Amino acid sequence: DADVTQTPRNRITKTGKRIMLECSQTKGHDRMYWYRQDPGLGLRLIYYSFDVKDINKGEISDGYSVSRQAQAKFSLSLESAIPNQTALYFCATSDPSGGRTDTQYFGPGTRLTVL
Amino acid sequence: SQQGEEDPQALSIQEGENATMNCSYKTSINNLQWYRQNSGRGLVHLILIRSNEREKHSGRLRVTLDTSKKSSSLLITASRAADTASYFCATDVTQGKLIFGQGTELSVKP
Repeated sequence: DADVTQTPRNRITKTGKRIMLECSQTKGHDRMYWYRQDPGLGLRLIYYSFDVKDINKGEISDGYSVSRQAQAKFSLSLESAIPNQTALYFCATSDPSGGRTDTQYFGPGTRLTVL
Repeated sequence: SQQGEEDPQALSIQEGENATMNCSYKTSINNLQWYRQNSGRGLVHLILIRSNEREKHSGRLRVTLDTSKKSSSLLITASRAADTASYFCATDVTQGKLIFGQGTELSVKP
């Protein structure tokens, strides 16, 4: 979905490096999410934010941190990358206001490889 | 642990056939959603069924929900090669948080 963008799209880094993945959205949604996808494991929630002042840990937050710089921007950081953080990372947004449901809109993903 | 378990993990059919994927879950839900993912791309929402609904249709998609059995199925009728993708169920168990299943990889052969 072009309304949710992620940068970079691909990144190769080394163990111990600090990495930041960025997500921007033009949908005007308050809720944003970070997931990782590993083969055969589906998507697992890392962190989520329901508004600019709200940050919550998901299922697998260890080794990650996030920053919600504005309604439109939600960044994911790996302070010291390790090889088992090699995965496909997705950002998503949702807006359940006005009676709508929490359908999520996904970015194109960032493929991260940690050597 | 994963809330949703999908069955089968992989499905291969011919164009024109119907494809059925199943999802089971463990806890009470607000709604259940189905998403599609083309290889290596972001997920795209297909259809949502609320906990008080039993069946829902959208084009060639039919979703059923049996809350007593904690299961759902996604039926794609008259499949096309372009339906080749991975399909994920996701359960909304608490406000705003979705738990995804492991997915069913569908291959539709021309």
